[in-house]
Amino acid sequence: EVQLVQSGAEVKKPGESLKISCKGSGYSFSTYWIGWVRQMPGKGLEWMGIIYPGDSDTRYSPSFQGQVTISADKSINTAYLQWGSLKASDTAMFYCARLSSRGWSSAFDVWGQGTMVTVSS
Amino acid sequence: EIVLTQSPGTLSLSPGERATLSCRASQSVSSSYLAWYQQKIGQAPRLLIYGASSRATGIPDRFSGSGSGTDFTLTISRLEPEDFAVYYCQQYGGSPRTFGQGTKVEIK
Repeated sequence: EVQLVQSGAEVKKPGESLKISCKGSGYSFSTYWIGWVRQMPGKGLEWMGIIYPGDSDTRYSPSFQGQVTISADKSINTAYLQWGSLKASDTAMFYCARLSSRGWSSAFDVWGQGTMVTVSS
Repeated sequence: EIVLTQSPGTLSLSPGERATLSCRASQSVSSSYLAWYQQKIGQAPRLLIYGASSRATGIPDRFSGSGSGTDFTLTISRLEPEDFAVYYCQQYGGSPRTFGQGTKVEIK
């Protein structure tokens, strides 16, 4: 079964750093793009960026460029989303998802369960 | 950036009725790279339609997608109780990829 399993919920203070993870299984992790999607409380979906684990080619939405870092370790089938200095406005649910084909012009066909990040003093 | 505008914001219907959801793009979506997702409360989104009209694996045939260029439609032919949810369109032909703001289908 193709699966993406994300790390657990996080509660952090403003200014702290954070790295959340997304582990893939049941398919060739290196050869499918993985993306990250933000959903702020009560709001819609926002496309943040994607990474190709095979060579770490990464594309960001301009809205998130410089705000987060997307990375991957293909040796352990895991993608990451990290922040250097969290803000209260980073409070959201974050989903990882796999692109359905090996080109990056495809839809997200498999989704992780989501990681809730709460940033509060 | 391609802006996707979904309408209506909320659709109030009864089980068995037909639902028609619209997604309009601010510029043409190349190669009909348009997807629809369903999201239920407390769950991750689920892919329903890709390529504007192709159903994803395991999606019932009461869900259908149509359209091209800037105007796309998701139709649910007969609403089942489990179909009441929020639906999002997403384009993956332009950069950056973008989502619409969502349409909530609620029980009337």
